[in-house]
Amino acid sequence: GESVGLHLPTLSVQEGDNSIINCAYSNSASDYFIWYKQESGKGPQFIIDIRSNMDKRQGQRVTVLLNKTVKHLSLQIAATQPGDSAVYFCAEKNSWGKLQFGAGTQVVVTP
Amino acid sequence: GAVVSQHPSWVICKSGTSVKIECRSLDFQATTMFWYRQFPKQSLMLMATSNEGSKATYEQGVEKDKFLINHASLTLSTLTVTSAHPEDSSFYICSASTRVDSNSPLHFGNGTRLTVT
Repeated sequence: GESVGLHLPTLSVQEGDNSIINCAYSNSASDYFIWYKQESGKGPQFIIDIRSNMDKRQGQRVTVLLNKTVKHLSLQIAATQPGDSAVYFCAEKNSWGKLQFGAGTQVVVTP
Repeated sequence: GAVVSQHPSWVICKSGTSVKIECRSLDFQATTMFWYRQFPKQSLMLMATSNEGSKATYEQGVEKDKFLINHASLTLSTLTVTSAHPEDSSFYICSASTRVDSNSPLHFGNGTRLTVT
């Protein structure tokens, strides 16, 4: 079946550097995407979303890029901080409102 | 912002017993809530969609008689794991949306860690 997946299971980033987390999706009909951050033992926390009629959206220190041509989504975190260490999930929302999650990327921020 | 609360945050039960998990939307009404399960080092898997005032719809492979869902009000959904077994040990997370349309983010509770001994 169609799914949302991530390229890198673990990303090690030095504090202060920028992080880029990638996500590939296979459902070309998807029109809404969300990035979540999950810290250990907690539920996912909304970071940023993007609709398919956009290719870029910026938040505070985060930017999401959407390339519909190659069905690719990325999350950029500027000036990564220790508090950014977590698992990041991209998610795809279908027309029934169901959220399908990718495999997740563990981001580890090193001093 | 939208807050979803789950209770309990963790529970340990003996094999064969039942456990109820509550999910509440604290500052908004949610006609639809979703229940997810997450095993260690894995992603979230949707179990069922809870609809206020009607029966829940379950994903393929999820036993509806084992995972009972009740959504009696616009702010409360419950998941009951019946006759729990060790393989049911997992992290259960609920979510809700403030809007019915598809383009709004889901807000998640902080999950319930279930351990069945």
